[in-house]
Amino acid sequence: GQNIDQPTEMTATEGAIVQINCTYQTSGFNGLFWYQQHAGEAPTFLSYNVLDGLEEKGRFSSFLSRSKGYSYLLLKELQMKDSASYLCAVRDPDYKLSFGAGTTVTVRA
Amino acid sequence: GAVVSQHPSRVICKSGTSVKIECRSLDFQATTMFWYRQFPKQSLMLMATSNEGSKATYEQGVEKDKFLINHASLTLSTLTVTSAHPEDSSFYICSLGTSGGAGDTQYFGPGTRLTVL
Repeated sequence: GQNIDQPTEMTATEGAIVQINCTYQTSGFNGLFWYQQHAGEAPTFLSYNVLDGLEEKGRFSSFLSRSKGYSYLLLKELQMKDSASYLCAVRDPDYKLSFGAGTTVTVRA
Repeated sequence: GAVVSQHPSRVICKSGTSVKIECRSLDFQATTMFWYRQFPKQSLMLMATSNEGSKATYEQGVEKDKFLINHASLTLSTLTVTSAHPEDSSFYICSLGTSGGAGDTQYFGPGTRLTVL
């Protein structure tokens, strides 16, 4: 099975940078995903890492270290609309996703 | 990415009734769909994997006779919650996984909020 940990809540100021960490212990690894979920809505895909290193997509970047079982999602130039829950998910060799409990990010003016 | 729809978006029912939730892939032929459940302030938990033309594969602890899954076509999977009880009240989300590469992700439907009175 998968054990995925991420902080419960984070607060940051508009325009700032926030880093959400995710650690995992898995019985099989086939990629790590980050999703954004607004309250009452379905998750939307943000990023994917399968090899070590940093993937950058606009204001969002994601990093992976497979040897450490560690990833982070970096949100830059925070906007009010970025207030949401951010889910770290690990995919196993059968293409099933296991999700962390999510990190609620609150952006304040 | 793929577009996934779910119907209904919200349903309220009495205890003991059955509720059917539809998940449609609008622009992609999905041989595999996934059904998740999410309780308030908790993460998504995979319930089952729905395979077109064959029986669904259920995760440990999920009752297959209570949560009936039918994936009769490449664009439609249904989840029926039979004899629903208040503890089944949750947010049910389907997703489909695109194939063709390890980088492909799952695309989620908008979810169905089930409230059992």
